[in-house]
Formats: sequence, C-alpha cells, structure tokens
Amino acid sequence: DADVTQTPRNRITKTGKRIMLECSQTKGHDRMYWYRQDPGLGLRLIYYSFDVKDINKGEISDGYSVSRQAQAKFSLSLESAIPNQTALYFCATSAKVGGYGYTFGSGTRLTVV
Amino acid sequence: GNSVTQMEGPVTLSEEAFLTINCTYTATGYPSLFWYVQYPGEGLQLLLKATKADDKGSNKGFEATYRKETTSFHLEKGSVQVSDSAVYFCALSSTSGTYKYIFGTGTRLKVLA
Repeated sequence: DADVTQTPRNRITKTGKRIMLECSQTKGHDRMYWYRQDPGLGLRLIYYSFDVKDINKGEISDGYSVSRQAQAKFSLSLESAIPNQTALYFCATSAKVGGYGYTFGSGTRLTVV
Repeated sequence: GNSVTQMEGPVTLSEEAFLTINCTYTATGYPSLFWYVQYPGEGLQLLLKATKADDKGSNKGFEATYRKETTSFHLEKGSVQVSDSAVYFCALSSTSGTYKYIFGTGTRLKVLA
C-alpha cells in the first residue's frame, strides 16, 4: 500500500455540488497538507495541519475547507464546487519542516462541469 | 517573501544528452532546497535535497549543488534517458519556524530516443 493514499483518483462533479477529497497516511507524520496543481502555476497550498488540533489556511483557501479527523486522515471539502476549481489536488505529509521533504499522494483529478 | 524561479519548459533532449534545469531562489535565512520529480499520472517524488550551502544532493544520476552566493540549485544529469521524461520541481523550505515549502512552477523534460 502507498504511504499516502488519496481517494478518489478522479472525479467529475457539477457546479454547486459539495465534494470531499480524502487523504490517509501510514507514515506516522504529524504534518499534512493539501495542494492544488494547475498548469503553469506549479503547486499552491490550500490548507495545512501540524497536528489534529492545528489547522491553518494556505495561500488559496477560499472556497475550500478541511477536517483533520485523526493524525492519519486529512480531508478537503469543496462546499459548492465551481469550474475554476478544476485541477489536480495533492495531499502531502512531512515529519517536520526543514531538511526532510514531503511525501505526496498520487493526486485526485477533479473536474467541475 | 520567499520564492523559487525555474526555467520554463518544455525541455526536449535526445537520449544521452546533458541536462541542466536552472533554479534560483529568494529566501531569508538558510533554507533547505529540494528537487522533486513528477512522472505522468503520479504524485511528486523527492529526487534529491541539500540542507546547507555547498552541499551536493544526488540521486539516480541527478545532481544539484546548493550555491548560496548565486542563490541557485541547478539540476544536472550527464546522460539522460527516455525514462527521465517527467516534470521537475524545485522547492525550498524556510527555516523561519513556519510551514513554508515553496515550489517552482515546474519544468517539463521530454527525452527522445
């Protein structure tokens, strides 16, 4: 099994629908992150969590919410999806900031029509 | 603020050619520097890292040297293979005590047989 698992891998949803993307990890890392990848823009941070009780907004949090259900689980919700939220979404974990790097999930490709 | 600038792609090379992908950064303090690789349909994988000036990170024939004087961390490989075709991301992590990983916009590499 992968260290960081994202579900679903692909999703097509309609404008205005609520959708949840899920992430679970077996790394035992405290820190978890949600990124969005768009062509030409690289990765942009949506939300991050340093532990179960610590959740913080990233640079593009508007229109998104998150829940850290357990150390190993971090879900991202789009309360009312809109077409410009069509993107590739990645969950990542890290042991600590500094020289350790991230472990990424395989991504969720979301299309909002 | 902190930032990472990568050369724009795509970069197209013939097999066994020499590869350089430029990366420069702006940061306060002494960040750690990373290169990640993203193969088609997959998440990002840590390729190599360097945590202090003059360190050389290396992996799978790729190398990058942390150059504080030029604020650069260029990725090099002496002889590329078709299997190296992917998107490469330069990134830094701040040592300021916050979460800050900053990613470049990515450089697509295509290697032709």
